[in-house]
This record gives sequence, C-alpha cells and structure tokens, in this order.
Amino acid sequence: EPEVTQTPSHQVTQMGQEVILRCVPISNHLYFYWYRQILGQKVEFLVSFYNNEISEKSEIFDDQFSVERPDGSNFTLKIRSTKLEDSAMYFCASSENRVGKNIQYFGAGTRLSVL
Amino acid sequence: AQTVTQSQPEMSVQEAETVTLSCTYDTSESDYYLFWYKQPPSRQMILVIRQEAYKQQNATENRFSVNFQKAAKSFSLKISDSQLGDAAMYFCAYRTSGGSSNTGKLIFGQGTTLQVKP
Repeated sequence: EPEVTQTPSHQVTQMGQEVILRCVPISNHLYFYWYRQILGQKVEFLVSFYNNEISEKSEIFDDQFSVERPDGSNFTLKIRSTKLEDSAMYFCASSENRVGKNIQYFGAGTRLSVL
Repeated sequence: AQTVTQSQPEMSVQEAETVTLSCTYDTSESDYYLFWYKQPPSRQMILVIRQEAYKQQNATENRFSVNFQKAAKSFSLKISDSQLGDAAMYFCAYRTSGGSSNTGKLIFGQGTTLQVKP
C-alpha cells in the first residue's frame, strides 16, 4: 500500500542551525501539508502546498520556514535558523483532494530536537 | 475560525468492552469533513474513520463507529470490543473547505489518551 515517507526519523541540531526535513508523498497525490506536534500537545497545521506554491500557511509558519518541491517526488520543509521552541514532531501529509478522495495520509514523522 | 474540542484528556476501558470518545467542534460552514486519527506510541498518525457533514448516516469501520450530531456539532467515536492494540492517543479533526484551491487543512482537537486494561 502506498505511504508517505519521511526522513530522517530523528534530527538533532544546535540552535541557530538550518535543518531540512524531507518527505516523499504518495505518488499520485497533488496536495501536500506540514503539521507540527510539540510533545504532549495537539497537532498544528503549518502549511499546505499545491501546484508548486503555498496555498495556506499558519501564524507559526514565519519567515524562518520555507517549503519546496525540488523534484517530482520530494517535498521539503526548511527551518533556516532553529530555535529551542522548534523542537517538535513534524508530520508531512498528502492528499488527492478530489471529491470523496480528500483523506490526508500522514508520514511517520520526524522528531526534531533543538539543543 | 473553526475549533475542535476534546474534553476527555484520558479514558480507560476494559478489554472487550465499549468506550466512547467525545468531540465537539465549532464552525459556520455547512459542508465539511470530520475525522478520527489514532496515534500509537510510535506517534504515527493513522486514520480511523471519516464522516462527511452532508451525510446523515453515521460512518462505521469494523469495530469503530461515530455518532455525528450536526446540529449539536458533536462527533463522538465509539470503539466496540476494545482490544489492547487500541491503546493510543485519539485525535478528532475537522477539515476546512479551504480556499480557491481547496487544499483543506486539518484542525485537530487536543487528543484523548485511551488506555485498554486487560
């Protein structure tokens, strides 16, 4: 069964460093998302992406964040200068988003630890 | 703005028994989707069940069913014949209709941790 793949599963970085979280969405999906979950808290929407551009972004998604689809398969989230409060689980999701096919499938997540 | 509320931080159920997890939401939209996701200790987000707001019939998936009350904006999850593998955090989620591109972000509740006792 097709699945969303995220790498790495765990990323440790120093405060101020840049990190890139990678995702391979399900191949026929056209809509991509990043969510964040700080430990013990609810899952929060960061950004949605369609047709090579951002469709919607939350207040969390400030200038430190960017997303890119560098090729036909990968979807990346970059954090330019990490802060301690960026430590969280980051989930990538993808969807066909057609009528009746709007389920978002999630990857297993990348745990980001900022020291 | 839409909100999702899960008022039960923790629930427990005896194996083979039935448990109901509560979820309420607030929206001014008439067309939307509701989901329950399961998050086991591995923290993977797994879809459990989906409900379209325009459908009056409650969704069911094997041992999982929902009680969707649109007027009350309530969307509870019932797990029948609970199994040890059902132990997880359960999140209720609302899908917005999205903008012109209709990407539809998910808005999650705070989650309910379900413990299943043998």
